[in-house]
Amino acid sequence: DAKTTQPNSMESNEEEPVHLPCNHSTISGTDYIHWYRQLPSQGPEYVIHGLTSNVNNRMASLAIAEDRKSSTLILHRATLRDAAVYYCILRGAGAGSYQLTFGKGTKLSVIP
Amino acid sequence: DTGVSQDPRHKITKRGQNVTFRCDPISEHNRLYWYRQTLGQGPEFLTYFQNEAQLEKSRLLSDRFSAERPKGSFSTLEIQRTEQGDSAMYLCASSSYRGRYEQYFGPGTRLTVT
Repeated sequence: DAKTTQPNSMESNEEEPVHLPCNHSTISGTDYIHWYRQLPSQGPEYVIHGLTSNVNNRMASLAIAEDRKSSTLILHRATLRDAAVYYCILRGAGAGSYQLTFGKGTKLSVIP
Repeated sequence: DTGVSQDPRHKITKRGQNVTFRCDPISEHNRLYWYRQTLGQGPEFLTYFQNEAQLEKSRLLSDRFSAERPKGSFSTLEIQRTEQGDSAMYLCASSSYRGRYEQYFGPGTRLTVT
C-alpha cells in the first residue's frame, strides 16, 4: 500500500480554520484519498474522500494537489468537538481494496 | 438509525482464557470488517466479510483468532488462549455493497488481559 505522512499533532484556536496536511508521494493513479477522524473513546468516523478534484461536504473540504502527491483537509471553523485524531488514508479502487490502512494520524487539539 | 453496535464494550480476562466479541452491523450492509487498535496507534485491519464469506484475513490474525459471520448478519470474533499482547481495542465496521467510500465503525470492545 502507498504510504501517507502526517504531522503527529497540531493545535488550532476555536472558530478558526484548520488545515491538516498529508503527503502521499507514492500515490498511484487509481488511489482514492480518504480522511477519517477518531474522537476520544470512539471508533473512527468517515470525513471525506476524493480522487483528483477538490471536494466539499458538510464536515470539511479536501484540497488535492495537482500532482496528487499531497492533500489538505480543511475544517472551516474548528469547534471543541473537532478535537480528534485525523487519519489520511489511500485506498485503491480495485477488487480486494476494501480494507483501510491507518497510520498514526494527526492529533488535533482545539483551544477554547 | 441504530448504527454499528458491539458487545461487550469492555472485557477483562485472565491470560489463557477464551473470549468472544459480537458485532451487529448496520442492517442493510453486506460488508463487515474487524480491526484492532493498540494505544497510540491507528487501527489495524484483521479480517473482512462479504455476506457470510470471509474474503480477506490479515497475517495479524493468528491461529488463536477466528471470526465468523453466519447468515451474513452479525459477526463474532473469538480469541483463544488469550495473551497479554492481545490487550487492545477491537473495532468492527460495516459498509454497503456500494460503500467503497465509507466504512461505519462501532464503538469498539476494549479487551484487557491480566
